[in-house]
Parts: sequence; C-alpha cells; structure tokens
Amino acid sequence: EAAVTQSPRNKVAVTGGKVTLSCNQTNNHNNMYWYRQDTGHGLRLIHYSYGAGSTEKGDIPDGYKASRPSQENFSLILELATPSQTSVYFCASGGRGSEVFFGKGTRLTVV
Amino acid sequence: QQKVQQSPESLTVSEGAMASLNCTFSDGTSNNFRWYRQHSAKGLEVLVSIFSDGEKEEGRFTAHLNRANLHVSLHIREPQPSDSAVYLCAARNYNVLYFGSGTKLTVEP
Repeated sequence: EAAVTQSPRNKVAVTGGKVTLSCNQTNNHNNMYWYRQDTGHGLRLIHYSYGAGSTEKGDIPDGYKASRPSQENFSLILELATPSQTSVYFCASGGRGSEVFFGKGTRLTVV
Repeated sequence: QQKVQQSPESLTVSEGAMASLNCTFSDGTSNNFRWYRQHSAKGLEVLVSIFSDGEKEEGRFTAHLNRANLHVSLHIREPQPSDSAVYLCAARNYNVLYFGSGTKLTVEP
C-alpha cells in the first residue's frame, strides 16, 4: 500500500530557529510536494520536486527551502522560523498520471 | 497557475438528503480533478478522481465535470453524520495539484 510518512507529527519551534520537516515515501514516485493548510485557504503549494536533486517553487515559497536528496526523501526547511509559519504541513507523493498520496500532516507551532 | 474556488464555504444538510458541492477553476488545461475529504484537520482521503467530461460515481459520491464551463461538482447521496467533514476540490496541472479552500459539510441526524 502506498505510504507517505512525515516526521515529526508535532513540533514547537522558537522564532528565529531552524526547523526541518521530513517526508519519506515508499511508493517509488518521482514527484513529491509540500503544502501548508490554514483555515480558509485549503492547501497551498510551497515546494515540489520531480525527482532526486530537483526542487521547484510552488505558490508560496518565501521563507522555505526544500531538499530532495533521494527518490524517497523530501525535506522542508525553515531557516528562520516566524509565527506566520505556524500551520499544518502536508507532504505528498505522486507518479506521472497516478494518484497523489498524502501524509498525515505535521502541526508546527512557532512561538 | 490554476485558481480553484469552492462554494459554498459551509453547508448543512439533513441525514439522507442529497448534498451538492461546487468547484470552479480558472485554467481549462487541467486534465484531471479530484475530490478529497478531510475529517478535523486529519489526513486527506480521495473520494473521486475524474478525467473527462461527464459523470464518475464512486459509491455514494458522484462527480460531474464540465470543462467548457470550468466546473466540477460533487454530489453525496444519502449523507450520514459521519460524512461531516471538510471537502476539498483539486485540479491537476502538469503533475501539480491545486486546491480550493474547501467546503465544510455538516450532516445533521
């Protein structure tokens, strides 16, 4: 069964600190995505990747970096976390033309 | 860039009555559309994926796509209180999913 695993599931970070959210998929999908979800906004695309070594900017990339060191792993990095980045973050993977599978989400609180 | 708008923002229906949700999109080049359900900020459950104009049924969930009108809808037959959730519409462009802001559905017993 398709699986996307996010870690951590919950994170409290301090303003100005560095935060790394990790995502692992066992689906052998080329494409991976990071979204954030806030009330009234649905899911908004931050970064995505077409394969190992590639990262692309989504609709709201400011303040975020992404890293895709391997087919299986895709990280989202907040170099200087701010309270406005408090949100629920979802990772997803998908193949060309295939279904997109989502992780269970990471709740990030920046204080 | 695809823009997806959903309506209504919230909807309350009685158990057993049909629930209808709407989604409009800005870019007609999308080649497939999905409806997801999300219970209380948990994970996303895909309900229906539709790739061509017309109707696609998955159990009690039916999607209707009209690309000429840039519109896709979801109809839930005989909704139950357990269907109370946020429903998200998504349009896929070039391997990227773009989401609407969701419709909060409440099904009253």
